[in-house]
Amino acid sequence: SQQGEEDPQALSIQEGENATMNCSYKTSINNLQWYRQNSGRGLVHLILIRSNEREKHSGRLRVTLDTSKKSSSLLITASRAADTASYFCATDAPSRGNTPLVFGKGTRLSVIA
Amino acid sequence: DGGITQSPKYLFRKEGQNVTLSCEQNLNHDAMYWYRQDPGQGLRLIYYSQIVNDFQKGDIAEGYSVSREKKESFPLTVTSAQKNPTAFYLCASSAATGGNYGYTFGSGTRLTVV
Repeated sequence: SQQGEEDPQALSIQEGENATMNCSYKTSINNLQWYRQNSGRGLVHLILIRSNEREKHSGRLRVTLDTSKKSSSLLITASRAADTASYFCATDAPSRGNTPLVFGKGTRLSVIA
Repeated sequence: DGGITQSPKYLFRKEGQNVTLSCEQNLNHDAMYWYRQDPGQGLRLIYYSQIVNDFQKGDIAEGYSVSREKKESFPLTVTSAQKNPTAFYLCASSAATGGNYGYTFGSGTRLTVV
């Protein structure tokens, strides 16, 4: 059951540029999370944003949430080669009770030095 | 350091063979999960456990089995009934299920059928 869907599927930028990834979801949520996955590795939790929050920052990361549009965006500012990874959004689904997060298919980000 | 350990990193399975993937955490988390990831795809939930001695099927449980006899451990067995097991398997844990807590992931096990 796919809840979140990231856009674009792939993104290639130059070092120093900003990268923006979007996530759309279908049903109401309480929380939305973003994760990073380096090639061949596990996922790393980046940030959690709750449905009553509109924006959240963590270092060079900025996440926004628009519950009326059922969408979120992840902005990475001043990107570095080390930011090259896949980025996934994950949502809960309160309508299904206390069930695990559902992950999207991810955005593959390439930062070229 | 607290964390979650998956082993082995690489696993090769012959046709008709059962194999077990190990997942251990020392984070004192109640909830544990198994996800499957195919190339270029997102994560699909196989099984999850909210507490010791309890587990529930996820979206793609057929051909897999789990146990949760200890809080720290949540092994996954890929049985011969799973016809297409070649994939990257990820174990995760969190303080509780739902979206209120971030997940901690292991580094994954890559399973290949030979």
